[in-house]
Amino acid sequence: KAGVTQTPRYLIKTRGQQVTLSCSPISGHRSVSWYQQTPGQGLQFLFEYFSETQRNKGNFPGRFSGRQFSNSRSEMNVSTLELGDSALYLCASSEGTGYGEQYFGPGTRLTVT
Amino acid sequence: AQTVTQSQPEMSVQEAETVTLSCTYDTSESDYYLFWYKQPPSRQMILVIRQEAYKQQNATENRFSVNFQKAAKSFSLKISDSQLGDAAMYFCAYRTHTGTASKLTFGTGTRLQVTL
Repeated sequence: KAGVTQTPRYLIKTRGQQVTLSCSPISGHRSVSWYQQTPGQGLQFLFEYFSETQRNKGNFPGRFSGRQFSNSRSEMNVSTLELGDSALYLCASSEGTGYGEQYFGPGTRLTVT
Repeated sequence: AQTVTQSQPEMSVQEAETVTLSCTYDTSESDYYLFWYKQPPSRQMILVIRQEAYKQQNATENRFSVNFQKAAKSFSLKISDSQLGDAAMYFCAYRTHTGTASKLTFGTGTRLQVTL
């Protein structure tokens, strides 16, 4: 099976802009979780989607949002970008919510200037 | 809230030797999962090993094994016969077992160097 894919791999945006990141889970996996990784805060959970519904949300401002489509692909959106949003954004998929290992994609490196 | 602590920011091991990475966690739950993930320079997070809290037997995966001490809330990773390809950041992670959430709580990581 193909692994988790994320697009784009690298992105440079300017403060105030918005960005959309995409994640395609492993075939058959219905749960997609998003994490933000920064040198200062480490790995932090953003949100999880299962069957097109947000199941859990981390402690991030409302500028961070996401959605999941019927084919389980997920997108996350960050509006009004700030310098502090520069990070590696990781997507992980699992068979279901709360069970099955999470398998990670290669990440999207977002740089905000 | 659950917390995961990795007190060793960096560790070094010689090739073919054994190294142990430490992890402690705090939770009020009785059932949960623990994981070790590896993140090489490519930044791809790779699952190394998993342990269910209800299982007393320590998990093993080839050269990787854990020492799970539930009462002490300790979950260390032992890497035997270390190889150059083991050099990476290693993250300990916790996940609840309630079936309602896939959220992983990560430690701050341990950078492992493997020397010749």
